[in-house]
Amino acid sequence: GAVVSQHPSRVICKSGTSVKIECRSLDFQATTMFWYRQFPKKSLMLMATSNEGSKATYEQGVEKDKFLINHASLTLSTLTVTSAHPEDSSFYICSATRDSYYEQYFGPGTRLTVT
Amino acid sequence: QKEVEQNSGPLSVPEGAIASLNCTYSDRGSQSFFWYRQYSGKSPELIMSIYSNGDKEDGRFTAQLNKASQYVSLLIRDSQPSDSATYLCAVRGGATNKLIFGTGTLLAVQP
Repeated sequence: GAVVSQHPSRVICKSGTSVKIECRSLDFQATTMFWYRQFPKKSLMLMATSNEGSKATYEQGVEKDKFLINHASLTLSTLTVTSAHPEDSSFYICSATRDSYYEQYFGPGTRLTVT
Repeated sequence: QKEVEQNSGPLSVPEGAIASLNCTYSDRGSQSFFWYRQYSGKSPELIMSIYSNGDKEDGRFTAQLNKASQYVSLLIRDSQPSDSATYLCAVRGGATNKLIFGTGTLLAVQP
């Protein structure tokens, strides 16, 4: 199988605080991990692509200083939402792939609510 | 023109029928094609991947790819109420490792 976990599954935080979301590939080494966000009834929006040991590549319009991504090992990537605001409230989903040209497997997602 | 297009639905089929989901894409250089199922409030789950022209079958699911027509489809045989979900078509372009997603088709299987 190809299992990807995310933690936490749900988080509520106050405006101005930072939140860290972890994404782990449990049974394979992920050369590349991707971070998406999804608004209700909308499709997935790719935020950034993360390769182990190198800087993440952010999509146009995504603030790299606000959404900090670290890919420290072949099984772990983290997304930190800094100085969160209510408009950052969303469903954040990571995916991981053994080889970036083949299947991506998604984590269960993290629902962030900023009050 | 959107890069990956799907009919948003809802597509309503009776239990036991064949559900046919369609997707077109604009990048002729696309190499990899995927179908994901997403239940409401959950993350996408990979159903099928297909890389070459023709049909690929896995249980009740058949993916069909026609690169000349830039068309990929998913057939679900013997549809069950538990198949009710949004089905996302995803395409990887020829020069990138990123997936481009369609907006998804909502499938409703009526018992």
